[in-house]
Amino acid sequence: EVRLVETGGGLIQPGGSLRLSCAASGFSVSTNYMGWVRQAPGKGLEWVSLFYGATITYYADSVKGRFTISRDNSKNTLDLQMNSLRAEDTAVYYCARVYNSYYMDVWGKGTTVTVSS
Amino acid sequence: QLVLTQSPSASASLGASVTLTCTLSTGHNNYAIAWHQQQPEKGPRYLLKIDTDGSHTRGDGIPDRFSGSSSGAERYLTISSLQSEDEADYYCQTWDTGIWVFGGGTKLTVL
Repeated sequence: EVRLVETGGGLIQPGGSLRLSCAASGFSVSTNYMGWVRQAPGKGLEWVSLFYGATITYYADSVKGRFTISRDNSKNTLDLQMNSLRAEDTAVYYCARVYNSYYMDVWGKGTTVTVSS
Repeated sequence: QLVLTQSPSASASLGASVTLTCTLSTGHNNYAIAWHQQQPEKGPRYLLKIDTDGSHTRGDGIPDRFSGSSSGAERYLTISSLQSEDEADYYCQTWDTGIWVFGGGTKLTVL
């Protein structure tokens, strides 16, 4: 069964750091495009970051320079290192497989990040 | 700028059909899109992809009650024989080099 499970969310103070992880099963992250999408409370979906190929990464302007996406092929996981967190980063973060770099075709259930003092 | 526009809400009766619309920004009417469903308190689920010729490809396990079509800059999601579990938010999504864009979402109420 193809599945994605996100972990690592929590409550963090503004300016702090958090690392999210996404464990994939039923397929290999090393041969697929993988990304993160977030959803602020009561809002719509917002693309955050995408990883594909050996080292190609993309980021939304809102997180560029603060977030880093990475992949661990041996663990079959996708990570998101989030630094200098702001209140506006508060959201549910979803991991997704991205079909051929086009559209998200497999979604996780999400992990909640709350940035607050 | 690549933008997708959706109506905030729609409603239809149980057993009826409904069509949701996603409009591509000017100059982008040759883009394919995907539709995603998000039921209350759940993560999103991929429904189908619509190409510019109106052909569509459903995700695994998506019933044929869900179909897609296209006209100009508009991309449509039609849901027939509406069921209570179809009450959800529906998002369209597209892509270009280095960016992935979502519409604002349409909240579908099944009456």
